[in-house]
Amino acid sequence: AQSVTQLDSQVPVFEEAPVELRCNYSSSVSVYLFWYVQYPNQGLQLLLKYLSGSTLVKGINGFEAEFNKSQTSFHLRKPSVHISDTAEYFCAVSDRSRGATNKLIFGTGTLLAVQP
Amino acid sequence: DVKVTQSSRYLVKRTGEKVFLECVQDMDHENMFWYRQDPGLGLRLIYFSYDVKMKEKGDIPEGYSVSREKKERFSLILESASTNQTSMYLCASTLAGGGTNTEAFFGQGTRLTVV
Repeated sequence: AQSVTQLDSQVPVFEEAPVELRCNYSSSVSVYLFWYVQYPNQGLQLLLKYLSGSTLVKGINGFEAEFNKSQTSFHLRKPSVHISDTAEYFCAVSDRSRGATNKLIFGTGTLLAVQP
Repeated sequence: DVKVTQSSRYLVKRTGEKVFLECVQDMDHENMFWYRQDPGLGLRLIYFSYDVKMKEKGDIPEGYSVSREKKERFSLILESASTNQTSMYLCASTLAGGGTNTEAFFGQGTRLTVV
């Protein structure tokens, strides 16, 4: 079974400051890793994903994340945030075993609140 | 442009009513999912389907059922709605297989209020 922990329920930050949203996971099998973003009153949109290869993954809107297998982490970073980045961010994992059904296990989400 | 469409953005239903939430995808995806989103709990999987007429329970199936008669359509059914089912419901779909096929596409969500 897998689980995902996002310890920070809310992260306030000033515009143009850097930000890191933390994600740790637990799994008995190898996983794929994802970050999704949800803007107010909308569905989820994929920010980035780690499937294999380089542990540093770049996504849309200037976000990037680094997979750290030894620490079972997949933290999301952006060097300079904008007001428009205000949204809820979800970390998720999916079992990469052969025959897996691609269902996602989500963390509880982190609300990024960018202030002017 | 890929699309997952949920039939309603907002619904208000009475306790005890039978409620149908509809989801349609136009990407010929094999897998479809229903999640429930609540503040502080993230998204929790209710049911998923990996083929027509095939379904499996997720983490919180109690009080719900599903139907998948056609590949593109996946319905969530609340047999007798209760106030604790007031929530945001999100539908998603993926291709079968791993790797890049694991990317999930989501609908806009249906905010259901049971009074």
